[in-house]
Amino acid sequence: GQQLNQSPQSMFIQEGEDVSMNCTSSSIFNTWLWYKQDPGEGPVLLIALYKAGELTSNGRLTAQFGITRKDSFLNISASIPSDVGIYFCAGLKTTSGTYKYIFGTGTRLKVLA
Amino acid sequence: AAGVIQSPRHLIKEKRETATLKCYPIPRHDTVYWYQQGPGQDPQFLISFYEKMQSDKGSIPDRFSAQQFSDYHSELNMSSLELGDSALYFCASSSPFRLADPDHEQYFGPGTRLTVT
Repeated sequence: GQQLNQSPQSMFIQEGEDVSMNCTSSSIFNTWLWYKQDPGEGPVLLIALYKAGELTSNGRLTAQFGITRKDSFLNISASIPSDVGIYFCAGLKTTSGTYKYIFGTGTRLKVLA
Repeated sequence: AAGVIQSPRHLIKEKRETATLKCYPIPRHDTVYWYQQGPGQDPQFLISFYEKMQSDKGSIPDRFSAQQFSDYHSELNMSSLELGDSALYFCASSSPFRLADPDHEQYFGPGTRLTVT
């Protein structure tokens, strides 16, 4: 099925470093969501973005809805060991009152203490 | 706050058996989505229901069926299980979609880990 291109696929960083990841698509989305998933658990919603150009923060997390509506970025500042996990972006497409979420392929983050 | 509830959390079945997974959405959410996630994979959309009607269909095998009941809970029925069906199955729910209020978020349950032996 359709997927969003998410990069990087994986990252190894030192504790305290900043992290950036992004999702791109050839399609336009109405909403971008960012999730974090711990092993064996369900994805947890981190940030939701609703308008092109919107910049939203949630603690050390900052995400932006690309101005073209075809991409989104997530930044994590001053990473800590509990940031480890898989981060997924998801784009929402609405068509004639129905809506569908398309997921990115995930960024696997590992933080070295 | 109440979250999406899934049961069971773990399920072990043998090949060719059947399994039923249950999902209870967040209160006042009328839309339910089912996803399958294999090891190292992103969630793959299976099927969704809005107001008890199927609203979208993804890569759901013909051996699987699902429905949403009057209380908005949903069940995923899986028959003739195969080894390849072993995966995490997630249910997610979202609030009613309104054109005038397009802000929309999807919340996931903790998942059911199905192991087929």
